[in-house]
Amino acid sequence: QQQVKQSPQSLIVQKGGISIINCAYENTAFDYFPWYQQFPGKGPALLIAIRPDVSEKKEGRFTISFNKSAKQFSLHIMDSQPGDSATYFCAARGTLVSSNTGKLIFGQGTTLQVKP
Amino acid sequence: DGGITQSPKYLFRKEGQNVTLSCEQNLNHDAMYWYRQDPGQGLRLIYYSQIVNDFQKGDIAEGYSVSREKKESFPLTVTSAQKNPTAFYLCASSQLGQTYEQYFGPGTRLTVT
Repeated sequence: QQQVKQSPQSLIVQKGGISIINCAYENTAFDYFPWYQQFPGKGPALLIAIRPDVSEKKEGRFTISFNKSAKQFSLHIMDSQPGDSATYFCAARGTLVSSNTGKLIFGQGTTLQVKP
Repeated sequence: DGGITQSPKYLFRKEGQNVTLSCEQNLNHDAMYWYRQDPGQGLRLIYYSQIVNDFQKGDIAEGYSVSREKKESFPLTVTSAQKNPTAFYLCASSQLGQTYEQYFGPGTRLTVT
């Protein structure tokens, strides 16, 4: 059972535009929601993460918005650049008392292309 | 230069053969993980280990085996029992208290024909 659903599967944005990727989860026993960025042929790297007691976190051009009641969170990339073209994964970490203790459950990924 | 090393980058095997993928880390992390990545399916956890000589099955452990004899090493064996072994395999590590922040290796692309 997929516990984290990510959309869209692919996204094309013009340079300078805003890229928005959405995720929804089905389990309340998660305590961290990280986003990972992966370039072709490379392993993913942590981009930004948020805890469920915070509604928004911003790091540079990257912002996570978190809606606990809706069980949704999203990544916004402001002023998108061609160098941002990559695959983005949302994830959720199981709490210590859940069946997913310490494990990351990943979304399906979104391939972002930023056109110059 | 700290990080995670996976070798080889590309691996080709004939069906019916077991193959072992290497993963080494010098980050002094206690936890290590193996994921399988297929197009459109995200990263799926195969096995993980939080301490030497101990490991747990992830969501798709069937047809795979691991060992954790040293803190810095976590090799994955893809056995002939794995029905669809062709995939991109990623190894990761993390500190125990910060498992949301996992450091990934460059991956090994395994092709079985």
